[in-house]
Amino acid sequence: DVKVTQSSRYLVKRTGEKVFLECVQDMDHENMFWYRQDPGLGLRLIYFSYDVKMKEKGDIPEGYSVSREKKERFSLILESASTNQTSMYLCASSFTKRGSYEQYFGPGTRLTVT
Amino acid sequence: AQSVAQPEDQVNVAEGNPLTVKCTYSVSGNPYLFWYVQYPNRGLQFLLKYITGDNLVKGSYGFEAEFNKSQTSFHLKKPSALVSDSALYFCAVRDSYHNNAGNMLTFGGGTRLMVKP
Repeated sequence: DVKVTQSSRYLVKRTGEKVFLECVQDMDHENMFWYRQDPGLGLRLIYFSYDVKMKEKGDIPEGYSVSREKKERFSLILESASTNQTSMYLCASSFTKRGSYEQYFGPGTRLTVT
Repeated sequence: AQSVAQPEDQVNVAEGNPLTVKCTYSVSGNPYLFWYVQYPNRGLQFLLKYITGDNLVKGSYGFEAEFNKSQTSFHLKKPSALVSDSALYFCAVRDSYHNNAGNMLTFGGGTRLMVKP
């Protein structure tokens, strides 16, 4: 079974703190993604990566950065957390090969910024 | 650009009755279509996909979906709903035409399914 794990299920941080969310997948997937999920807004793509050290902005990259130093690990960084970044953060991964486009998701991290 | 719409925020159905969760899409080329389910405080779980072939696709937990090219739809169905099917359902699309490094999917806004005993 594909396994995507996220470092924390729940996290509470203060405004201005630097926050690291880590995601690890064990299926040798080339692609990894970070989304945030908010009520009424569905899933919004923050950043994605299609290879080690490669990253691309998604729909809402402002206030976030990412790092992919190893194929299995994709980190989301909030440089200076703000209350409007309180959300559920979901990591996903997928293959590049043709026909295998489905993404596999981690359990999510519910981040609260106070 | 690719897009997907789920016209219903919530669908209510009685246990044992058939259920349908609607999804329509817009792509330039041929669509690759997906359904996911999300239980409370969990990540999304992959249910099924349509890439090519038979228009009726069977997936996990007794769910199936019907691809209809003329109506640009990919509705999720189940013949007999269970209370445990109550969850949030997402439809997603990938455009076969679009040069899509990373194989990005576009997700719908989600439909909450409530199955009552």
